[in-house]
This record gives sequence, C-alpha cells and structure tokens, in this order.
Amino acid sequence: DQQVKQNSPSLSVQEGRISILNCDYTNSMFDYFLWYKKYPAEGPTFLISISSIKDKNEDGRFTVFLNKSAKHLSLHIVPSQPGDSAVYFCAATPRAAGNKLTFGGGTRVLVKP
Amino acid sequence: KAGVTQTPRYLIKTRGQQVTLSCSPISGHRSVSWYQQTPGQGLQFLFEYFSETQRNKGNFPGRFSGRQFSNSRSEMNVSTLELGDSALYLCASSYGTSDYEQYFGPGTRLTVT
Repeated sequence: DQQVKQNSPSLSVQEGRISILNCDYTNSMFDYFLWYKKYPAEGPTFLISISSIKDKNEDGRFTVFLNKSAKHLSLHIVPSQPGDSAVYFCAATPRAAGNKLTFGGGTRVLVKP
Repeated sequence: KAGVTQTPRYLIKTRGQQVTLSCSPISGHRSVSWYQQTPGQGLQFLFEYFSETQRNKGNFPGRFSGRQFSNSRSEMNVSTLELGDSALYLCASSYGTSDYEQYFGPGTRLTVT
C-alpha cells in the first residue's frame, strides 16, 4: 500500500520556466511533509518542508503548497535552472512518529538550457 | 561541518552471508535513521536510533538489525543475505528524534550475488 505517491515519474521543463511537482498521500495521520532532491551517487538533500497547519511555505525559488482536504501537495520551482535537474522525492510523517519518513517514488526533473 | 559519512561505499556479498554497514552522523546529531532504496520499492524506512535506543522500526524482517554507539555512530547488520537485499542503503542523521529535517549520507551500494 503506497501511502505517498508521485504519479509523474519524469518532467521536462525549459530553463527559466516553472517546474511543478505533485505528490498525493492517503494516510490522514501525516501532518508534516518534506521535499528532497537527489543527484546520482549522492544521498537525498533536504529542500523544503511544510507543516499541516500551513498551506504554503516559501524558500527562495522553492514553494510548497499543501491541500489537506485533497491530501495533495506540490512543489513549485521558479525559475527552473539546469542545476535543478535531479530526482525529487516527497516525504511525509506523522509528528508522533518522529523521523520515520514515508517517501514517494520520486520524479525525475530535466531542465533544458 | 563534516557531513554524514557511510562506509563502505560499495560492497559485494554472496547469498547467505551477513554484512555490516557503518554510519557516522554529523557532529552533534544524536538521531540516526536507516533507509533502503531499491528500484522496485523506492526509499523505505528501516529503523531509527536515538541515544543508543531504537526509537522507530519499519516493516523489515528480523534479519535487518542495527545499533548505535555512545558517540552516535551507528551500524546496521543484515544476516543471511538474499538477492533481494541488493540495494542502496542510506543513513540519515538529525539533532533530535523529531527534527524531521534529516541529512543523508551518500549511501552504501550493496550487491548480493
């Protein structure tokens, strides 16, 4: 049972445009959500997070939106840069579970110059 | 500040053998979590250790075990290796057990033949 799903395995976007990555979850206990970026041969790198008490969080070019009623979150990258080409994972956890993250399957982003 | 280090980076073992992987967290971090990444199952949580105690456990068989030492360094052990244990094993550290923002190491690539 996949509790966190990223339905788009890949995304291609032109440099300077917006990248939108989507993530759906099914577990109502999840109340903290994170996005990680992963380059080949490296571990995931934390990007941005959001608590269920918010519906939006921004950090520079990265914005995460949370729609609790739809159990959906998205990551917007504006403007996209070639260095953003990587695999992006969304993750979720119930706060009570501490550091036990449940990951989605990942979306491979390619930013074309 | 040095990042999370994992040793060895690559390992080849034979079915039925056992293996021990090591993780050194970021200095000052007391929580260490382990994840398994495979093409079929994605990133899956194995267990978390905090102050030498297992705090969380994922849905893996008892062949997977771990421990944490007083200096926060952690080891995970897999006994009676199976072909399906071939994976990238990632270690992540954070200051506390509910910090959510975890810092990942580069991983150990285990191949079971």
